[in-house]
Amino acid sequence: QQQVRQSPQSLTVWEGETAILNCSYENSAFDYFPWYQQFPGEGPALLIAIRSVSDKKEDGRFTIFFNKREKKLSLHITDSQPGDSATYFCAASFTGYQNFYFGKGTSLTVIP
Amino acid sequence: GPKVLQIPSHQIIDMGQMVTLNCDPVSNHLYFYWYKQILGQQMEFLVNFYNGKVMEKSKLFKDQFSVERPDGSYFTLKIQPTALEDSAVYFCASSLGQAAETLYFGSGTRLTVL
Repeated sequence: QQQVRQSPQSLTVWEGETAILNCSYENSAFDYFPWYQQFPGEGPALLIAIRSVSDKKEDGRFTIFFNKREKKLSLHITDSQPGDSATYFCAASFTGYQNFYFGKGTSLTVIP
Repeated sequence: GPKVLQIPSHQIIDMGQMVTLNCDPVSNHLYFYWYKQILGQQMEFLVNFYNGKVMEKSKLFKDQFSVERPDGSYFTLKIQPTALEDSAVYFCASSLGQAAETLYFGSGTRLTVL
């Protein structure tokens, strides 16, 4: 059973637009949701994360919106730049638990 | 930022052979992980390791798999013998502490079993 689902599988936006990446999860006990960014040939790197006690987390152009009731979250990238072109993984975990469940990722392409 | 190094980046072996994937974690980190990613699929947890012991492993961590970190050197994943379904990208990660929220990943080793 896939614990974390992401959509769309791939997304193309123009430079300056807002990219919206979606994520949903199965286990209502998850309380920590990091998003990882991965460029080709590199490992994933933590981009931004949110805890379930919050419904929004902002860091510059990156914002996570979290809906606990619906077990959904989304990553919004405003003013998208070509350098944002990467694969974005949503992940989920429990506090203090040494394991993360990852989605399949969304491949984002930003066209100049 | 902190770097996790994985060696080699790509390994091709024949089915039934043994393979060892090497990971040089961030120097002061205490927890180490292996994840497996089949092309187009999500990264899946294999195992985590702390203080010389496996703390947790998933169903994917078959009996043919083993991990160790002898004397603070490389954190290794050994597969013996390999099977065709072991072909994947294997990511090593490390974290600072037990409740650490950030995993630092290497760039992966692409294993191809022929």
